[in-house]
Amino acid sequence: QKEVEQNSGPLSVPEGAIASLNCTYSDRGSQSFFWYRQYSGKSPELIMFIYSNGDKEDGRFTAQLNKASQYVSLLIRDSQPSDSATYLCAVGGGKLIFGQGTELSVKP
Amino acid sequence: EAGVAQSPRYKIIEKRQSVAFWCNPISGHATLYWYQQILGQGPKLLIQFQNNGVVDDSQLPKDRFSAERLKGVDSTLKIQPAKLEDSAVYLCASSDVRAEAFFGQGTRLTVV
Repeated sequence: QKEVEQNSGPLSVPEGAIASLNCTYSDRGSQSFFWYRQYSGKSPELIMFIYSNGDKEDGRFTAQLNKASQYVSLLIRDSQPSDSATYLCAVGGGKLIFGQGTELSVKP
Repeated sequence: EAGVAQSPRYKIIEKRQSVAFWCNPISGHATLYWYQQILGQGPKLLIQFQNNGVVDDSQLPKDRFSAERLKGVDSTLKIQPAKLEDSAVYLCASSDVRAEAFFGQGTRLTVV
């Protein structure tokens, strides 16, 4: 079992729609959870972090954490073509481990 | 605030040669990470330092890879000898106590 798993994608949504990205993790002792965005040929860029159960909103982005289910998600509202990228879930708790990423394509 | 600095940006070497990458983290960040990212995959943690000490190096191929972080600041990752499958982007990241990691631009290594 991989430590951090994401939907393999690619995920395609129309412009203006909500994109939903999901991630599960295996270590119940994990304490911190991050979403990174990576454009092709670029380094990962931190867009959201969450430490407590529940929702955290920042502009068009909402991160959701459910520690009991070992599940973290990212919602992107009013998706724009500029949101097209690979989204990486990362889980921390001693060491920082990344999932394989989900490619998101927003179609105009 | 200056970001994470890495060099070189690109490197092409022949198999069995050696190569070294350098990373300077964000000032004051105690934790430094080296990741390997193969095209189409997520970053794979090679080694994580906390100040001078190693937190995790379980995925580092120690027969050919080595890393050090002198004085708890800069870090060097070395590969000797390189194999074709080492072709990847090598990413350095750093974080402070809040654990939010920030990445450098990476070094793209091609082994031919």
